[in-house]
Amino acid sequence: GNSVTQMEGPVTLSEEAFLTINCTYTATGYPSLFWYVQYPGEGLQLLLKATKADDKGSNKGFEATYRKETTSFHLEKGSVQVSDSAVYFCALISTGTASKLTFGTGTRLQVTL
Amino acid sequence: ETGVTQSPTHLIKTRGQQVTLRCSSQSGHNTVSWYQQALGQGPQFIFQYYREEENGRGNFPPRFSGLQFPNYSSELNVNALELDDSALYLCASSFWGGIYEQYFGPGTRLTVT
Repeated sequence: GNSVTQMEGPVTLSEEAFLTINCTYTATGYPSLFWYVQYPGEGLQLLLKATKADDKGSNKGFEATYRKETTSFHLEKGSVQVSDSAVYFCALISTGTASKLTFGTGTRLQVTL
Repeated sequence: ETGVTQSPTHLIKTRGQQVTLRCSSQSGHNTVSWYQQALGQGPQFIFQYYREEENGRGNFPPRFSGLQFPNYSSELNVNALELDDSALYLCASSFWGGIYEQYFGPGTRLTVT
């Protein structure tokens, strides 16, 4: 079956530090990959996506590249801000699964001044 | 463009009771998916509705049921509530035939005592 593995948190960084959150996956077919962000007390917001190998998704300074050879989709940002503090979820949709999102367990990011 | 809305925001029920949660899709979307997010975990897929029929179901018992209405809004019903049903319930809407982007509502926090 499909699964997503994320690095455990919390990740604590100082403002302007470089961020990497690792994500690897197991899936049948050719999945589409996503990063969602959840701010405290809120639902999930789509942060970025990639639908095929070597695609790079980007949004708000965050980037992730779909690496089929390593089955990875690591999230990066060059300079984090306090406002980036949230929980980040890596997720996939595999073909033929009724558009069912499979999520990782989430990684909490805390950015301090 | 109206986003995904859910009601109620919070709900407290007693074990054995029944509950109905509601979701209005984002305008232009025809598919609704429901997810359960336990504290500290990633969301788990419950089921999806398209054209008013269930179109895929996760590993949840039959006491979790749903409806989709002609205006694409949806309900999630849970019978015989158990303590483990306490969670954040998230509704996501999408357009069937698109590139699987799902947009989430703010969620309903259900507490079962």
